[in-house]
Amino acid sequence: EVKLLESGGGLVQPGGSLRLSCAASGFTFADFYMSWIRQSPGKAPEWLSFIRNKANSYTTEYNPSVKGRFTISRDDTQNVLYLQMNTLRAEDTAIYYCAKHMRTTPGGYWGQGVMVTVSS
Amino acid sequence: DVVMTQTPLSLPISLGDQASFSCRSSQSLLHSNGNTYLAWYLQKSGLSPQILIYRISNRFSGVPDRFSGSGSGTDFTLKISRVEPEDLGVYYCLQHTHLPYTFGAGTKLELK
Repeated sequence: EVKLLESGGGLVQPGGSLRLSCAASGFTFADFYMSWIRQSPGKAPEWLSFIRNKANSYTTEYNPSVKGRFTISRDDTQNVLYLQMNTLRAEDTAIYYCAKHMRTTPGGYWGQGVMVTVSS
Repeated sequence: DVVMTQTPLSLPISLGDQASFSCRSSQSLLHSNGNTYLAWYLQKSGLSPQILIYRISNRFSGVPDRFSGSGSGTDFTLKISRVEPEDLGVYYCLQHTHLPYTFGAGTKLELK
């Protein structure tokens, strides 16, 4: 059974940083592309970033809304996906999901999400 | 960015009825490789979204065959042949042909 468990969320002040983690199990993590997707309360999801697998050189893509502030990475030895978030703003407040790609489609499986609140 | 426009915003329905959701993109979703990367998701209340359909019309594993997707270019449709209680929630389309990937605003399927 595919499981994705996010952690690392919480309350942070504007300008602060957080690192989210996503522990994956139930599949060969190293083989798959992985994404981070967020959802502000009452809004549609917003795709943030994905990272390709080793076979595709771990290359990354970002939404311009977070490019330069957020960094996606992965540790295939530990089956963990990360999202380093810097210079956080109030508008970054959202539930953050990690998602396993199904072939090229993001969100074949989603974690339960972790809440990030940016507020003073 | 590609804008995904979903209509209607809300779809009141009776159980057993057919439901139809529209998703239109601001530019063609046909990739240079010949594929069209349009997916549909359902988010039930309080839960994470779950994938239903990928590449316009392919049902994800375990998705009932009452769900069907169609369309091409910029115009896409998701249909439920006979709505069941577990189908209620918000339906989102996602394009992943062009970066950044973009979701529609969603259509809420609710009981009349």
